[in-house]
Amino acid sequence: GQNIDQPTEMTATEGAIVQINCTYQTSGFNGLFWYQQHAGEAPTFLSYNVLDGLEEKGRFSSFLSRSKGYSYLLLKELQMKDSASYLCAGTDSNYQLIWGAGTKLIIKP
Amino acid sequence: ETGVTQTPRHLVMGMTNKKSLKCEQHLGHNAMYWYKQSAKKPLELMFVYNFKEQTENNSVPSRFSPECPNSSHLFLHLHTLQPEDSALYLCASSQAGLAESSYNEQFFGPGTRLTVL
Repeated sequence: GQNIDQPTEMTATEGAIVQINCTYQTSGFNGLFWYQQHAGEAPTFLSYNVLDGLEEKGRFSSFLSRSKGYSYLLLKELQMKDSASYLCAGTDSNYQLIWGAGTKLIIKP
Repeated sequence: ETGVTQTPRHLVMGMTNKKSLKCEQHLGHNAMYWYKQSAKKPLELMFVYNFKEQTENNSVPSRFSPECPNSSHLFLHLHTLQPEDSALYLCASSQAGLAESSYNEQFFGPGTRLTVL
């Protein structure tokens, strides 16, 4: 079956670094997305990885290892506004998105 | 501003009511989606429309009925819902439809928070 696993909740301190992991099992693989969703708001696109390696975008970076079926989202210099849920989604052979349940990130002062 | 709007934002309805959710995208996209989001569960894809044609129906109960009159508008008609249908209903759009592109970034609306009493 197809499955995306990510931790349910994480807590970090303002100004610190946090890494949110995601493992995936999909029938075929055509890339992995990360989305951010603040409470009561729409999910918004953060990153897309299809090749192995690290993609850096300001304070946020996303990593992919296709051989390990693994990705992570790295958030640096955490700010209170980064408190949100982070959704991992893999793309299968039919280009359909398979979603994880999301990781709720709590930032403490 | 995501370019995808949804109305209403909140809806409370009884099990015998009939109501409709509306979604509109201003991005010129060709594909539109309905998702159900329940607490601590993955997003559940319900329906996909590509160029106004329904291409996916993920075994959704018939009490949910989608309608796509054009590529910018999408409706979800609701009737005789159950309390377990209470959830956040998200609409999304993308430039390409499924099976067309590996890069299929979806743009989401803010959702309708539905409560069924």
